[in-house]
Amino acid sequence: NAGVTQTPKFRVLKTGQSMTLLCAQDMNHEYMYWYRQDPGMGLRLIHYSVGEGTTAKGEVPDGYNVSRLKKQNFLLGLESAAPSQTSVYFCASSYGGRATDTQYFGPGTRLTVL
Amino acid sequence: AQSVTQPDIHITVSEGASLELRCNYSYGATPYLFWYVQSPGQGLQLLLKYFSGDTLVQGIKGFEAEFKRSQSSFNLRKPSVHWSDAAEYFCAVGAGNNDMRFGAGTRLTVKP
Repeated sequence: NAGVTQTPKFRVLKTGQSMTLLCAQDMNHEYMYWYRQDPGMGLRLIHYSVGEGTTAKGEVPDGYNVSRLKKQNFLLGLESAAPSQTSVYFCASSYGGRATDTQYFGPGTRLTVL
Repeated sequence: AQSVTQPDIHITVSEGASLELRCNYSYGATPYLFWYVQSPGQGLQLLLKYFSGDTLVQGIKGFEAEFKRSQSSFNLRKPSVHWSDAAEYFCAVGAGNNDMRFGAGTRLTVKP
C-alpha cells in the first residue's frame, strides 16, 4: 500500500514550457486535491476532484488545468509555465470531502521555472 | 473567508523542554481546526483535529491542542520535545476538505 505518490519529484522548466504532474493513490479515495506550497504562505488549493471525471477550481486555479480520467489518478498540467509557478506541489486524497475525512498527502514535487 | 495566523515563523527548543506553537484563526462559524506536521522532504501528516466537544484534543506523537473560542486560538503543545519532532507545523481551519485555509507554518528546531 503506497498511499499517495507523485511523479516527478523534481523538475526544472523554462518559461513557456509545458508539463504534467501525476498523482496516484491506491486507497480507493473519491476526493483528490492539488496544492501549492510557497514560503511564508502555507498550502493553497489549486484544483480538486470529487470523483472520476469531475474537477473543480480551488483558491488559486489560474495557469493550471487538471484531469481525473481514472479514479486513482489526478493530473495537474501547466500549459505555459511562468516563474510565478515555481513552487512545491502537493497532491492529497481523502475518502470524502468533509472536514472529518482525513487528507493523505504525497511527498511533493519541487518545480522550478526559469 | 476563513484565515489562520501562526505568529511564530521559527522556534527553537531544547530536547526535553516543553513546546507550545501558537495558532489564531478567523472564521464566521464554528471552526474545524487542524494541526499538520511536515518533516523535511515529506508531505503533510495530520497530528490532530477539533470539530466539537472537549476543547482539549489529543493527537499522535504525544501532541495535544486546546481550542479557546474566546481567544480564537488553537495552540499546539507537547510536554517534552524529542529530536525527531524537528519539522514544520501547520495550523489549518476549514469546513470541508476543499475549503481549508492553512497558516504559513512554524519551523521547529530542537537543540540537543
